[in-house]
Amino acid sequence: QKEVEQDPGPLSVPEGAIVSLNCTYSNSAFQYFMWYRQYSRKGPELLMYTYSSGNKEDGRFTAQVDKSSKYISLFIRDSQPSDSATYLCAMSHSGNTPLVFGKGTRLSVIA
Amino acid sequence: SQTIHQWPATLVQPVGSPLSLECTVEGTSNPNLYWYRQAAGRGLQLLFYSVGIGQISSEVPQNLSASRPQDRQFILSSKKLLLSDSGFYLCAFTPPSGSSYNEQFFGPGTRLTVL
Repeated sequence: QKEVEQDPGPLSVPEGAIVSLNCTYSNSAFQYFMWYRQYSRKGPELLMYTYSSGNKEDGRFTAQVDKSSKYISLFIRDSQPSDSATYLCAMSHSGNTPLVFGKGTRLSVIA
Repeated sequence: SQTIHQWPATLVQPVGSPLSLECTVEGTSNPNLYWYRQAAGRGLQLLFYSVGIGQISSEVPQNLSASRPQDRQFILSSKKLLLSDSGFYLCAFTPPSGSSYNEQFFGPGTRLTVL
């Protein structure tokens, strides 16, 4: 079993839809969880950062962590064509260890 | 503010030629530095990371090497490129060890094509 599993998509939704992106993981020691957005031919951009369990909201984006299920989610409300990108989840068990990344989900928001 | 630079942005090299990619960070001291390769459909592969000058950890044995000659400079090198070295190379940094947070910030990347 891979440490971090993420459905690669592609996921195609109409403009205005609510998007749900998910990752599962196997290492129960993970405590730091991140979501990155990567536009084509660009470096990943940090979107959301969460420590331990719970929810975090930032504008149209909400990150959820369920450590009991080893499951994290990113919700995008009122999706826009500019949200079309690849979304990568990442996690680690301490501040000094490298992140473990999912393979990314490619999202297309159609106008 | 903290920024990270990479160059060149794109590179086309023949098989067997040497490689040198450079990454520099501004606005922070003693960052942890990382080199990743991203191949199509394969996600981010961690190649090297460094917690200090001269301290390099290799994650994947291959014909690449990394060096950290200065606190905020990270270099990826190869003596002889292979076709399989083609990909998108990303440098990243996190705050110094011991910080409360470990958000990782990426540079703009270098697209390498080996012909």
